[in-house]
Amino acid sequence: DAGVTQSPTHLIKTRGQQVTLRCSPKSGHDTVSWYQQALGQGPQFIFQYYEEEERQRGNFPDRFSGHQFPNYSSELNVNALLLGDSALYLCASSFEGEQYFGPGTRLTVT
Amino acid sequence: DAKTTQPNSMESNEEEPVHLPCNHSTISGTDYIHWYRQLPSQGPEYVIHGLTSNVNNRMASLAIAEDRKSSTLILHRATLRDAAVYYCILSRADQTGANNLFFGTGTRLTVIP
Repeated sequence: DAGVTQSPTHLIKTRGQQVTLRCSPKSGHDTVSWYQQALGQGPQFIFQYYEEEERQRGNFPDRFSGHQFPNYSSELNVNALLLGDSALYLCASSFEGEQYFGPGTRLTVT
Repeated sequence: DAKTTQPNSMESNEEEPVHLPCNHSTISGTDYIHWYRQLPSQGPEYVIHGLTSNVNNRMASLAIAEDRKSSTLILHRATLRDAAVYYCILSRADQTGANNLFFGTGTRLTVIP
């Protein structure tokens, strides 16, 4: 079992651009959550997907959107990138239990 | 979201026990207490969780106060690989069934050889 995988590992974008990050959950997991972790801070919850729908959302603007596919994999999209969006983006999967995190995607906005 | 309070940092000598405290005075009856840790350059890793009774697993023990307003994560013999940021988190399922984690800033544990 490969666990939770995320791609890409690192990404550099320019202000105003759009970015898509991808996540494959651990085998057997049907729920995917996304978190943003700024340098020196704890992860902040963005949203959670279950049965291909957004089930819960944290305090993030509509520029942050997502999608879950029938195979439970997920994408996080961020539009109109700001310098403050530079962070580690973490994906976590779960199935009625604790969350398993991937290694994250490091996004740098210049 | 219910808040937890943890010391910013702690140190421990290798092979000695470590007690990481967490205060959660506003905990509600349905809140679970979770502990995750994050090693350098990795995503958070589940350590342990509990509701009311003390819990043990292969990684650690969780001691929960009788009034549930505080808890302590116990690492029985710290190793250099235990150096990480430890997060104490309260979570409860909402009406949709979502049970997400709201992290604080955690405790940075340094293990001294």
